[in-house]
Amino acid sequence: EIVMTQSPATLSVSPGERATLSCRASQSVSSNLAWYQQKPGQAPRLLIYGASTRATGIPARFSGSGSGTEFTLTISSLQSEDFAVYYCQQYNNWPPGFTFGPGTKVDIK
Amino acid sequence: EVQLVESGGGLVQPGGSLRLSCAASGFTVSSNYMSWVRQAPGKGLEWVSVIYSGGSTYYADSVKGRFTISRDNSKNTLYLQMNSLRAEDTAVYYCAREPPIFDYWGQGTLVTVSS
Repeated sequence: EIVMTQSPATLSVSPGERATLSCRASQSVSSNLAWYQQKPGQAPRLLIYGASTRATGIPARFSGSGSGTEFTLTISSLQSEDFAVYYCQQYNNWPPGFTFGPGTKVDIK
Repeated sequence: EVQLVESGGGLVQPGGSLRLSCAASGFTVSSNYMSWVRQAPGKGLEWVSVIYSGGSTYYADSVKGRFTISRDNSKNTLYLQMNSLRAEDTAVYYCAREPPIFDYWGQGTLVTVSS
């Protein structure tokens, strides 16, 4: 089973600053990685897939990079609506499974 | 517009059963892959099950043999039959479209397993 880890667990950032979130896979997942944003009381929202492709309607301030085992989600200039929990998810070895990372909470500094 | 609306959650005793529904609109459930993903209170996301457009199904080891995913094409609805429920099954259950990249999610339905 591929295990996903994310760091840091919590990231405190001021509005307008850059945020860099990391995701690591226990073995290579190629570029089969997605990022989701989840706000309190809401369902997750797809941000990035294929490690670097933005989903429909996602602002350009969100970018993804990496391949293999190391991935990064960058938010270039944090807006108030970006404070949320971010999850990475690998889909390299499906079927059957898809595994999510434990999440990084981005909160206001 | 794509919409997914879950229902059927509630309080159930350990060992009990529950059936969740996910009514879809704006697309055809039978033409897409569909999944259930759950989130325990204060915890992260856990994939539960998938049904392919061809009808094949897969389950997480944690629910295999207890949960069954299905769909009703005439109602454009996805289901999750949950049997032999345990306390650790307590979670918000989301249906989501098009795994492995979940592009649309429902709002979720809470299942609480407790005596």
